[in-house]
Parts: sequence; C-alpha cells; structure tokens
Amino acid sequence: EDQVTQSPEALRLQEGESSSLNCSYTVSGLRGLFWYRQDPGKGPEFLFTLYSAGEEKEKERLKATLTKKESFLHITAPKPEDSATYLCAVFQGAQKLVFGQGTRLTINP
Amino acid sequence: DVKVTQSSRYLVKRTGEKVFLECVQDMDHENMFWYRQDPGLGLRLIYFSYDVKMKEKGDIPEGYSVSREKKERFSLILESASTNQTSMYLCASSLQLAVLTYEQYFGPGTRLTVT
Repeated sequence: EDQVTQSPEALRLQEGESSSLNCSYTVSGLRGLFWYRQDPGKGPEFLFTLYSAGEEKEKERLKATLTKKESFLHITAPKPEDSATYLCAVFQGAQKLVFGQGTRLTINP
Repeated sequence: DVKVTQSSRYLVKRTGEKVFLECVQDMDHENMFWYRQDPGLGLRLIYFSYDVKMKEKGDIPEGYSVSREKKERFSLILESASTNQTSMYLCASSLQLAVLTYEQYFGPGTRLTVT
C-alpha cells in the first residue's frame, strides 16, 4: 500500500534558523510528489510539484528536493509568516493523491 | 490564478438533515475532488470526478453522495447528517492532460458541525 510519512510532526524554530522537513514515501512508480502549505482553518495552498529524483524547486525561502525514497523541504532563514502546516502528497493513480499527516512548523520572532 | 470556491465557510446542521456542500472552480479543470480533514487522520478522499456526470468513490464514501452536472461545479451531499460527519470539508480541482499528473488546487474549506 502506498504510504507517505512526514517528520517531524512539529518543529519550532527561531526566526532565521534554517532547517528541513522530511517526507518519506513508498509508492510503485512515482508520478509526482506535491508540497502544500496549510494555514489554520484554511485549505492547502499548492507550493511545488516534483516528478523525478534529483529535481529541485525553489520559491522564496523554500526549496524542495526529491530522491528515490524521500523529499525534503528546506527552509532558509525563516520568518514568522512561514509558520504553517506543510503537507506532502504523492500520486496514487487515477488522479488520486495520498497525503502525509503534515509537519506543523512554528517560527518564533 | 486558479480559484476554487466553496458555498459556505461554516455550517451547522442537525442530525438527520440532508446537507449540500457546493464547490465551483473557474479554471476549466477536468478533475474535481471532495476530502474531509480531521485531526490525527489527515486528508481523506471521499469522492472524485474526472468528467461531467462521472464519479468515483474515494477512501471513505459511506454516507455521502456527489453530483457533477456541469464541469465547473461539484456538489457533496450528506444524505442524512450524523455527528461523526462533523469535520472540515475541502474541495479541490486539477487539470487532466494525457498521462501527466497535475497538482490539485484547494478551496478554503467548509467547517461543518452536526449537532
């Protein structure tokens, strides 16, 4: 069965303290890995799509990377407004995604 | 920008009522999805649709039905609401082109409380 595991469950950082979030997956024949950001009480906001090992995408202070077994979301010099839950999802087939449980990130000023 | 809108942000209904949640997307996407999100359980797929009048069951379809009469609109129906259907409901849409996989865009969510 396809699975997505995110770690850590929660992460608290000081403003400017860089770190990485992990998304491990088991899926036969990856056809897409997606990162989302979700603020409390709102719908997930799309960030990145990665299709093949070695691929990297960047947006402001965020960079997503992909290997054959996991993806990392690197956050460089974060600011308090980067506080959110970050979700990872992989394509399961027939246009369906399977989501991880998310990492709740808090950036303290 | 893709825009997915949902009919209500907050909804309170009584047990046994029939509940309609509506979702509209403005990007001519073929695929539309309904999820529910609960603490500790994450996002779970209820139903999805890849074309008008077409629907497929997701992981937790029991107690729900859907309707897609127009490409831009996807409705979720709770036939007889129960307290265990209290949840955040999220609609999403995505493009479908050949065998490629495209990201899903989500609406703001409807927080439904069944009392």
